[in-house]
Amino acid sequence: QSVLTQPPSVSGAPGQRVTISCTGRSSNIGAGFDIHWYQQLPGTAPKLLIFDNINRPSGVPDRFSGSKSGTSASLAISGLQAEDEAEYYCQSFDSSLGGYVFGTGTQVTVL
Amino acid sequence: EVKLVESGGGLVQPGGSLRLSCAASGFTFSTYWMSWVRQAPGKGLEWVANINEDGSQKSYVGSVKGRFTISRDNTKNSLFLQLSSLRVEDTAVYYCSGQGHHRFDSWGQGTLVTVSS
Repeated sequence: QSVLTQPPSVSGAPGQRVTISCTGRSSNIGAGFDIHWYQQLPGTAPKLLIFDNINRPSGVPDRFSGSKSGTSASLAISGLQAEDEAEYYCQSFDSSLGGYVFGTGTQVTVL
Repeated sequence: EVKLVESGGGLVQPGGSLRLSCAASGFTFSTYWMSWVRQAPGKGLEWVANINEDGSQKSYVGSVKGRFTISRDNTKNSLFLQLSSLRVEDTAVYYCSGQGHHRFDSWGQGTLVTVSS
């Protein structure tokens, strides 16, 4: 049972913009802990996509952007491409659990 | 180039034990916190355990406390996870990960642990 809730799936046509929400609680996002996002392509290991709410590691296209407000965060993908089809996870630290938590995951489908 | 290579996975009976290893290269291993993250078949990601740079601090998710032990050997750039009293629900791909500040910067390809009779 994850403490970070994401929609199971989102979809969009090539070139469109999609957003993925990540809803937490006062013990994680609401407590000020940063949100990080990972992309997991089919059959591969996860990859860090966004760190510290808004930052992109070197090599990640600027089509990917993150935001955070209150007890929620969002990942936006602009100019959707076929290669963006993947599972996306948010992640933070939870002070009540004393450990790291991941979101439930969102499957992005490019129509 | 950062490289993490896990090994040691396999099929084990409920109640059994297994030791996972992770060989690190391409970065100064002894200066990084390290974690294990697992993913059950068709399911999401779950953080399992982490260890600080010199091995003096360790944390675990509640479901594995008392059964799993994380350790490291900085002289061999290696991370380990000893799995004991294994349960069917421990079946998963186990990933080794190099941590940044409260995040997982680098990942290995994973090793599959299957707990079944």
